[in-house]
Amino acid sequence: AQSVTQLDSQVPVFEEAPVELRCNYSSSVSVYLFWYVQYPNQGLQLLLKYLSGSTLVESINGFEAEFNKSQTSFHLRKPSVHISDTAEYFCAVSPNSGYSTLTFGKGTMLLVSP
Amino acid sequence: SQTIHQWPATLVQPVGSPLSLECTVEGTSNPNLYWYRQAAGRGLQLLFYSVGIGQISSEVPQNLSASRPQDRQFILSSKKLLLSDSGFYLCAWNRGLTEAFFGQGTRLTVV
Repeated sequence: AQSVTQLDSQVPVFEEAPVELRCNYSSSVSVYLFWYVQYPNQGLQLLLKYLSGSTLVESINGFEAEFNKSQTSFHLRKPSVHISDTAEYFCAVSPNSGYSTLTFGKGTMLLVSP
Repeated sequence: SQTIHQWPATLVQPVGSPLSLECTVEGTSNPNLYWYRQAAGRGLQLLFYSVGIGQISSEVPQNLSASRPQDRQFILSSKKLLLSDSGFYLCAWNRGLTEAFFGQGTRLTVV
């Protein structure tokens, strides 16, 4: 079984400041890792994913995440946030073999203020 | 391209009333289908998943049931709603081991 821990329920930050949203996971098997973003009253949208290869993955809107196997982490970072980045962010894992279901963290609300 | 439709977007139901939420996927065949529930501060909880018609797996015991009458249709039901059934319900699909794609969700308020 897998579990995901997002320690920060809320992260307030000023516009143009850097941000890091933390995600740690636990799994007895190798996993795929995902970050999803959810805007108010909407479904989840995939932000980025790690399946294999380079441990640093990037999204089209400036976010990046690095898979660290030894620390079982997949932290999300952005060097300069915008007001429009205000949303809830979910980290998720799934086993990379067998049947896949996503296990989500509890989410981190990113609040960007001017 | 693939799309997922989920309705209704919002629903207010009295305690003890029945529930039926519908989800359909277009543009793919034999998808894996999922129902998640999102409660405030508790992240997303997987309720049911299905790998094929008539095949339903339940992750947690609850007042809800799911059915898959057609390949791309997934229905979440209840015979009698409880206050604790309130939440944001999300349908999702994927193929194989890839990421899941989510519908826009249904906000259910049981009063």
